[in-house]
Amino acid sequence: KQEVTQIPAALSVPEGENLVLNCSFTDSAIYNLQWFRQDPGKGLTSLLLIQSSQREQTSGRLNASLDKSSGRSTLYIAASQPGDSATYLCAVTGWGGGYQKVTFGTGTKLQVIP
Amino acid sequence: DAGVIQSPRHEVTEMGQEVTLRCKPISGHNSLFWYRQTMMRGLELLIYFNNNVPIDDSGMPEDRFSAKMPNASFSTLKIQPSEPRDSAVYFCASSGEGGAVGYTFGSGTRLTVV
Repeated sequence: KQEVTQIPAALSVPEGENLVLNCSFTDSAIYNLQWFRQDPGKGLTSLLLIQSSQREQTSGRLNASLDKSSGRSTLYIAASQPGDSATYLCAVTGWGGGYQKVTFGTGTKLQVIP
Repeated sequence: DAGVIQSPRHEVTEMGQEVTLRCKPISGHNSLFWYRQTMMRGLELLIYFNNNVPIDDSGMPEDRFSAKMPNASFSTLKIQPSEPRDSAVYFCASSGEGGAVGYTFGSGTRLTVV
């Protein structure tokens, strides 16, 4: 059974700092990995999708990397801004029983202090 | 595309009443997921449809919950009778190509059972 862990559970940083969020998974036979952000009281917004054959994906100030062999993904946020404050979740997609199975991490709650 | 559309956005109902949540997936997506999110338990997968067929309903908490997908563009999640412990945010998500394009979430329905 796939298990996805996100550490730390909460993080508080001053504005402008570069930061890294971590996502670990136990089964390396994954199809892809997706990073989401969730603002309080809102839905999940997709940030980056990394296919199993890829090493990283970039979008603006965000960079996500994937190391399947070690079961890790990181989300790098450059020059953090107060608007980046949200909960960040990673989701790992694998295959089981002939169909896709998605496992979410418990999230990292980020606060960027002005 | 308007994304995944859920209705209603908010629902307040009395214990014992029937509640029906609705979801319209992204056109062309052949997989649909219902999730429940609470502070205590995080994001839980309730049921997963592929090509309108329920594939995995192991997350449905009990017989009071039922879900249908009569066609590729519509799904419902019904709770009958509702209980206060069902209060949560219910999300619908869809994906295409076996998850290869990632998952898109709706804005959610916040259900309060009093």
